[in-house]
Amino acid sequence: GAVVSQHPSWVICKSGTSVKIECRSLDFQATTMFWYRQFPKQSLMLMATSNEGSKATYEQGVEKDKFLINHASLTLSTLTVTSAHPEDSSFYICSARELATYTQYFGPGTRLTVL
Amino acid sequence: EDKVVQSPLSLVVHEGDTVTLNCSYEVTNFRSLLWYKQEKKAPTFLFMLTSSGIEKKSGRLSSILDKKELFSILNITATQTGDSAIYLCAVEAGGSARQLTFGSGTQLTVLP
Repeated sequence: GAVVSQHPSWVICKSGTSVKIECRSLDFQATTMFWYRQFPKQSLMLMATSNEGSKATYEQGVEKDKFLINHASLTLSTLTVTSAHPEDSSFYICSARELATYTQYFGPGTRLTVL
Repeated sequence: EDKVVQSPLSLVVHEGDTVTLNCSYEVTNFRSLLWYKQEKKAPTFLFMLTSSGIEKKSGRLSSILDKKELFSILNITATQTGDSAIYLCAVEAGGSARQLTFGSGTQLTVLP
């Protein structure tokens, strides 16, 4: 149980384009999902907390207009990187919190490369 | 500001060795401490610890929490090459969002 999927697993895009990443909890409902990014050889940095049916809460230094988060259902959250630039290239990981145990389970991650 | 510090940052051992990974923390309103293993992709959950002194065990892995001294250790006995990974410690603390703050991780390499 407690499986989280992400799509796509990798994406290459041109500078200036927008990229949408989906995060789904497959066998449980998640009122809260989290988006992280991870640069090479570094730990996970929380970008934002996504709550079903309400606006996301962004961490300090994360531009909400650049990283659009939508959590329209109890099993799906999306992160859209708008007007992507090469410095946005990173590994983006989502997690979903299981209500029963409050444990966060992570998706497999999305490798974004912006050319 | 919540802080999670892991040590060592990297460790190289041989198969069969036993390793101990450390995690210390300073957080407001501690709720739980979690250990994850990260290989090439996203982290996979290992343990969640909420009470002091109660060891959690899964096969060759075990972990314990000391809430008085604010640290946790993760032990791996009889290491195998498949244990090579980054081990992340995260602390869940604070308000209603119950976010995780991650340490920098320990890179474990197990040589044959």
